[in-house]
Amino acid sequence: GAGVSQSPRYKVTKRGQDVALRCDPISGHVSLYWYRQALGQGPEFLTYFNYEAQQDKSGLPNDRFSAERPEGSISTLTIQRTEQRDSAMYRCASSLGGLAGYEQYFGPGTRLTVT
Amino acid sequence: QKEVEQDPGPLSVPEGAIVSLNCTYSNSAFQYFMWYRQYSRKGPELLMYTYSSGNKEDGRFTAQVDKSSKYISLFIRDSQPSDSATYLCAMIPTSGSRLTFGEGTQLTVNP
Repeated sequence: GAGVSQSPRYKVTKRGQDVALRCDPISGHVSLYWYRQALGQGPEFLTYFNYEAQQDKSGLPNDRFSAERPEGSISTLTIQRTEQRDSAMYRCASSLGGLAGYEQYFGPGTRLTVT
Repeated sequence: QKEVEQDPGPLSVPEGAIVSLNCTYSNSAFQYFMWYRQYSRKGPELLMYTYSSGNKEDGRFTAQVDKSSKYISLFIRDSQPSDSATYLCAMIPTSGSRLTFGEGTQLTVNP
């Protein structure tokens, strides 16, 4: 079946612009996670949802970052007033949740470049 | 100090070698221990997971967890060039919560 999909795959934006990154989880997966991965590093947690409820947003770097999952399926990560330090690979993952929540499946990522 | 420490390598071995990859951690609350494989320009792919201490074997791969030492390992037997990738350890205190990753070890298996 289809895996986690993310769009766009690449995004180049100018400093100060807002960007919206989209994640479409595996069908039936109730939990959705956002991570950010710098080159040569492991993914770093940003936030996650169970259904439409945001369970943990402690990894969001500052209030320019926000995420939503209004219908418990597709999620959007929004970065306002982008800065060059926001340039990174943004990865989404999903899981069945509950006792199977350790098994997180990752999407291909969105490469964000802020110029 | 990072919660999860992993030697970034790079590690280069000949085909057929046994590979040992390791991570240490500091948070005793971690209960689930995962190994992900990440090919260049791809997302991480879950290889194996272990709950609490013990060993788990899947084909050429064996995962070991020693909670008393806060040390986990992944062994790859009869390594193949197709095993060349970055291997990331990841940990989670309870099912469904956030993964904490090591920085990954870059492995190259030479034919």
